[in-house]
Amino acid sequence: DAGVIQSPRHEVTEMGQEVTLRCKPISGHDYLFWYRQTMMRGLELLIYFNNNVPIDDSGMPEDRFSAKMPNASFSTLKIQPSEPRDSAVYFCASSRERYNSPLHFGNGTRLTVT
Amino acid sequence: GESVGLHLPTLSVQEGDNSIINCAYSNSASDYFIWYKQESGKGPQFIIDIRSNMDKRQGQRVTVLLNKTVKHLSLQIAATQPGDSAVYFCAENEYGNKLVFGAGTILRVKS
Repeated sequence: DAGVIQSPRHEVTEMGQEVTLRCKPISGHDYLFWYRQTMMRGLELLIYFNNNVPIDDSGMPEDRFSAKMPNASFSTLKIQPSEPRDSAVYFCASSRERYNSPLHFGNGTRLTVT
Repeated sequence: GESVGLHLPTLSVQEGDNSIINCAYSNSASDYFIWYKQESGKGPQFIIDIRSNMDKRQGQRVTVLLNKTVKHLSLQIAATQPGDSAVYFCAENEYGNKLVFGAGTILRVKS
């Protein structure tokens, strides 16, 4: 099993630019999660999907953030326009079930907005 | 970027010794718990989980203990190796709610 695959691994962009992060979940996992990790706040859940449908986006910080899951094997997290305070590591994770099932994380995208 | 961050507790152990990493959770209704290991530059890696109807579960070189009375979770690593050096997170889940991660503990293994 290839695990959760994220791209790019690193992204450096200027304030105001659009950023798109990509994720391929583990095949057969019906749930996909986007997290953000910072030193200040630790791991924060941004949004999660079930069978490609967004279920809870209450963690998305602002309207500048959007996420899509056009099919079971691909999801994107977009930030437009990006700001320096968006700098963080963004993780995608997937799981078989919503509860009582471990999340499996990708290796993240380190985003730096200058 | 941030100039002030969380100061994570650090556990330093000698290679070959056993490690015990502790976690106090907050929600008495949590019924599922997970331990993750995060190495530098990588995502959290699942180690072991336990449901609230158990108080102990063993894996390969790892044991998780759950004490619901005092809301305490621990991860024991036997014969700690340099490759065990990482940040370890506990996570708790109440059915119907979000998975909540702890702040983490840094494990440093001295050779």
